[in-house]
Amino acid sequence: EAGVAQSPRYKIIEKRQSVAFWCNPISGHATLYWYQQILGQGPKLLIQFQNNGVVDDSQLPKDRFSAERLKGVDSTLKIQPAKLEDSAVYLCASSLTDNAYEQYFGPGTRLTVT
Amino acid sequence: KQEVTQIPAALSVPEGENLVLNCSFTDSAIYNLQWFRQDPGKGLTSLLLIQSSQREQTSGRLNASLDKSSGRSTLYIAASQPGDSATYLCAPSGNTPLVFGKGTRLSVIA
Repeated sequence: EAGVAQSPRYKIIEKRQSVAFWCNPISGHATLYWYQQILGQGPKLLIQFQNNGVVDDSQLPKDRFSAERLKGVDSTLKIQPAKLEDSAVYLCASSLTDNAYEQYFGPGTRLTVT
Repeated sequence: KQEVTQIPAALSVPEGENLVLNCSFTDSAIYNLQWFRQDPGKGLTSLLLIQSSQREQTSGRLNASLDKSSGRSTLYIAASQPGDSATYLCAPSGNTPLVFGKGTRLSVIA
């Protein structure tokens, strides 16, 4: 069974530029999560999708971050414009249905904003 | 709001030692708790998942326990090896998805 796929693996941009990350969850997993992990911290949830609907986006900085999950499968996370403090690893995870099920993580995208 | 604390923040042990990593959480209304391993520059690898109705879960040299009422979980690693060196994260999941602690950075010295 293929795991959670993410791309790109690394990205370096200048502040005020825009960037997009892509995630493909495990086949058949209805729930998809995006986390932000700043160096030395644990991951923090940004947004949770159930199929193509948003369940929780309370910690997503909506003035600059956006995410979508078209057709309930792949998802993209966008930052526009980026700030220096957005430098982090962005992790995508998926689970079978909801929070009661095990989450599986992708390898992450390391973003550096200069 | 769920808060997770992991103690110690860092740990260095000689190869072969048994060790315990501690995790405490403030909201006991959880579905389950997961322990993860993270190698530098890598994503998270799930080690163990304990359902709220379970007291412990074992996988190889790893044993995780859960005391939901007191908001505590421990990860026991037997006969540690240099390959166990990594950051270990615990995360309970309830109405709010996984909430992570800062992790325990483990170094096993050969």
